[in-house]
Amino acid sequence: DAKTTQPPSMDCAEGRAANLPCNHSTISGNEYVYWYRQIHSQGPQYIIHGLKNNETNEMASLIITEDRKSSTLILPHATLRDTAVYYCIVRVNTGTASKLTFGTGTRLQVTL
Amino acid sequence: DTAVSQTPKYLVTQMGNDKSIKCEQNLGHDTMYWYKQDSKKFLKIMFSYNNKELIINETVPNRFSPKSPDKAHLNLHINSLELGDSAVYFCASSQGETPLHFGNGTRLTVT
Repeated sequence: DAKTTQPPSMDCAEGRAANLPCNHSTISGNEYVYWYRQIHSQGPQYIIHGLKNNETNEMASLIITEDRKSSTLILPHATLRDTAVYYCIVRVNTGTASKLTFGTGTRLQVTL
Repeated sequence: DTAVSQTPKYLVTQMGNDKSIKCEQNLGHDTMYWYKQDSKKFLKIMFSYNNKELIINETVPNRFSPKSPDKAHLNLHINSLELGDSAVYFCASSQGETPLHFGNGTRLTVT
C-alpha cells in the first residue's frame, strides 16, 4: 500500500508555479521522498527526490517539512507539457530491494 | 538512445494464448523490474530481479514467469492469458539507490 496521500487533481495556469502537496505522515527515518510523473500513457519519469533537506534540479524543487511528514513539489514555471499525473512516493534506499510503491497521484492540468 | 526499451509496444491476443514481452536496458543497471498498470491507472510492482536473481515477487499468478538471461534483459512470459491481464506493462531498471528508469510500456489487450 502507498504511504502517501495526494489531492486527486489540480489546475495551474501556464507560466505560474505549480505547487503539488503530499502527505507522508508515517514516513520512516530511512525513507526518501521521490517524485515521478506520467505524461499521458508514457512510462513514469523521475523528477526529484530527497531525504530531509530541500532539493532543486533543472526540473523542479522539493520542499520537505522539518518533521518530514509532508512535502511539496514545485514546478517554478509550468508549461502545457507539464500536464501529467504526479506521484509522490516514499522509498527505502536499501540497494537491491528498493522498490517504488505508487499511489493514485495528482493529475495536474496546465491551462493557457 | 533509448535507456529502457520494451517490445512489442502493442500486443493484441486471444484468451488462452501464451505471449512474451521483452525488456532491455543499456544503462548498466543491475536491478530490473516489471510493473503493471491496469485500467484504473494504478501502477503496481510485479517482479524485481537483481543480477539475474529474483528478489521481489508480489503475489503474481504463476501464469506470469519472468526470465532474466543477463543483467541487461528481463523478459515476461505469460501463459494462458485471461481478460484481466489486459493492462500496460512497464519495465524499469535501477542501480543500487539510483532512481528507477522506466520504459514506455507494452499495452496488452486480451480479447
